[in-house]
Amino acid sequence: NAGVTQTPKFQVLKTGQSMTLQCAQDMNHEYMSWYRQDPGMGLRLIHYSVGAGITDQGEVPNGYNVSRSTTEDFPLRLLSAAPSQTSVYFCASSYRASYGYTFGSGTRLTVV
Amino acid sequence: ELKVEQNPLFLSMQEGKNYTIYCNYSTTSDRLYWYRQDPGKSLESLFVLLSNGAVKQEGRLMASLDTKARLSTLHITAAVHDLSATYFCAVVDYGGSQGNLIFGKGTKLSVKP
Repeated sequence: NAGVTQTPKFQVLKTGQSMTLQCAQDMNHEYMSWYRQDPGMGLRLIHYSVGAGITDQGEVPNGYNVSRSTTEDFPLRLLSAAPSQTSVYFCASSYRASYGYTFGSGTRLTVV
Repeated sequence: ELKVEQNPLFLSMQEGKNYTIYCNYSTTSDRLYWYRQDPGKSLESLFVLLSNGAVKQEGRLMASLDTKARLSTLHITAAVHDLSATYFCAVVDYGGSQGNLIFGKGTKLSVKP
């Protein structure tokens, strides 16, 4: 039972490049979400999904895209990276709303 | 829109002392989490508080929830260096984000000998 797996752990991008942060869970959780963590800001919700085929925006969705084609996977896409997207990104999953959340180990992204 | 405020944001304590971290939130919720984060690591769940008046204790940490006052506290008793970390409260948002967590900004705790 791997829990929530995020890849890659570290990434450096140039401004304007695109990339996908991967998140996979093997717990059959319906709820999945993406957060970004910046110094002094706590964790802020980017996008979330309440089930396969259903996604919605969180607090800070601009510049990010998501899709949920399977229960297991919830990738986060940066279409044109900007230095303001330098952050640590965490994926989380839950069986259902408010049931307890499992966090991945994070992806540290630097945009230069 | 649910807002979560933690204070203090920084806390420097001496070993053996007691202190309390406060977490206020702006709209109704009955479920609140406390997490610990060490530098460069993910979040470790400490407590989940499920109802008004809930109190949980683990070692030198005790958390409580008052849903009427929209306030949770994390009390540290006789602090030791190993408790140095950043502590987050997170409130379940049943409204705008359909059950996702909204986090406070965190309290960076440093325990000095």
